[in-house]
Amino acid sequence: QSVLTQPPSVSGAPGQRVTISCTGSKSNMGAGYDVHWYQQLPGTAPKLLIYGNSNRPSGVPARFSGSKSGTSASLAITGLQAEDEADYYCQCYDSSLSGSWVFGGGTKLTVL
Amino acid sequence: QVQLQESGPGLVKPSETLSLTCTVSGDSITSYYWSWIRQPADKRLEWIGRIHSGGGAKYNPSLKSRVTMSVDTSKNQFSLKLTSVTAADTAVYYCSRVAYYYGSGSSDVWGQGTTVAVSS
Repeated sequence: QSVLTQPPSVSGAPGQRVTISCTGSKSNMGAGYDVHWYQQLPGTAPKLLIYGNSNRPSGVPARFSGSKSGTSASLAITGLQAEDEADYYCQCYDSSLSGSWVFGGGTKLTVL
Repeated sequence: QVQLQESGPGLVKPSETLSLTCTVSGDSITSYYWSWIRQPADKRLEWIGRIHSGGGAKYNPSLKSRVTMSVDTSKNQFSLKLTSVTAADTAVYYCSRVAYYYGSGSSDVWGQGTTVAVSS
C-alpha cells in the first residue's frame, strides 16, 4: 500500500479533460511539501511532468497542469490525445519516514 | 544534454549483493544529488535513496540496513549496493538526477532502467 493514494485507472475520450487525484497526509502534502508528477509511457522510464505542484519542465505541453491544496493534489490533462495513454505517478517528501520520498501507486490513463 | 546509463548484472542469487552503477554523461556529477528508484512487477515506484559527491547519503528506512550508495567523481559515476537480496528485490532499477525546487526534490532526468532478477 502506497503512502500517497491514487485511483488505479481513469479514462477519457480524445479531446476531453481528465483529472488524476493524489491524496496524502499531514506528514507529506499537509506539511507543505511540494508534489511532483511523472508520466511513464509503456516500456520507458518515468518522465518528470510537473514539479513544485504546478510547474511544467521545458517541453511539457500546457495541456498538463497540476494543483495542490492541503493534503491533496491533482493532475489535469485537457485536450486528451492518444499519446497521453500512460501511467501517471505523484511523488512527495515525507517527514515521518526520515525524509524519504514517497510515491503514489500510479494511475493508468486510457484514451478511449 | 545530461544522460544516465545503468549497468550491472541482470541476475543475482538470493542472499547475495546487488551492485549497480550509473554513468553520468553531459554534466558533472559534483553538481547535483543523485538517486536510485526501483519498480517491481506491480509497477509501484519505490525510492531507494539519494547521494551527493560531498557525502550525506539518505536512504529509504525500509531498506537502510541493506543499502549503500557511493560516488566516484573520477569516473562521473555513482553506485548502489543492496545486500542480502531476496525475490522481493526483483525490479527495474532506475538511476536519476535530483532537482530541487524551493527545497523539494524530484527526479528530472532518468536512466533507461536495468532489470535485476533475484533467483537461484
